[in-house]
Amino acid sequence: QVQLVQSESELKKPGASVKVSCKASGYAFTTYAMNWVRQAPGQGLEWVGWINTITGNPTYAQGFTGRFVLSLDTSVTTAYLQINSLEADDTAVYYCARERPSYGFPSIDLWGRGTLVTVSS
Amino acid sequence: QSLLTQPPSASGTPGQRVSISCSGSSSNIGSNAVNWFQRLPGAAPKLLIYSNSHRPSGVPDRFSGSKSGTSASLAISGLRSEDEADYFCATWDDSLNGYIFGGGSKVTVL
Repeated sequence: QVQLVQSESELKKPGASVKVSCKASGYAFTTYAMNWVRQAPGQGLEWVGWINTITGNPTYAQGFTGRFVLSLDTSVTTAYLQINSLEADDTAVYYCARERPSYGFPSIDLWGRGTLVTVSS
Repeated sequence: QSLLTQPPSASGTPGQRVSISCSGSSSNIGSNAVNWFQRLPGAAPKLLIYSNSHRPSGVPDRFSGSKSGTSASLAISGLRSEDEADYFCATWDDSLNGYIFGGGSKVTVL
């Protein structure tokens, strides 16, 4: 079964770090890149960035550079999003989403269920 | 604030046809493909339409998509109770060099 299984919800204090995982199964992990998207409470979906699953090279959207780190462990077909120096505004649901270009255009075709990260003292 | 504009809601009775629009600009919808997703509470978003108008296998042909210029649309014909969900559009933006998304449209089956 082709799926992305994300880690469970996290509750963290401001200033701490969190690492969200996204385990891919049912397909060749390095065939497709992985995107990360977040949705803060009451807000729309916002693209965080993507990571090349062959080279491990990440690309970050504006506003997500510095504290956000995308990484991989191809041996366990898992992508990670780490957020350092957490702030209250980082409270959101974070999704991983597979990149599968279609007819030459960028395209997302598969999502995880999302991981709720709550930052609160 | 989402960069792709969708109506917040749409509704219809069983069997009716409902259409949802997704409005963008030349740097996104005007030059890239649009995907549509269905989101149910607690579930992963599900791909309904890719590349503007193509349905993945397993998606009923009641769902159809189209694109014209800088706007795209999702239509649900023969509306069923299980279609009650949130629907959102997504595409790449060449100016931002990243994905952008619609704000989502809640479909209610009356």
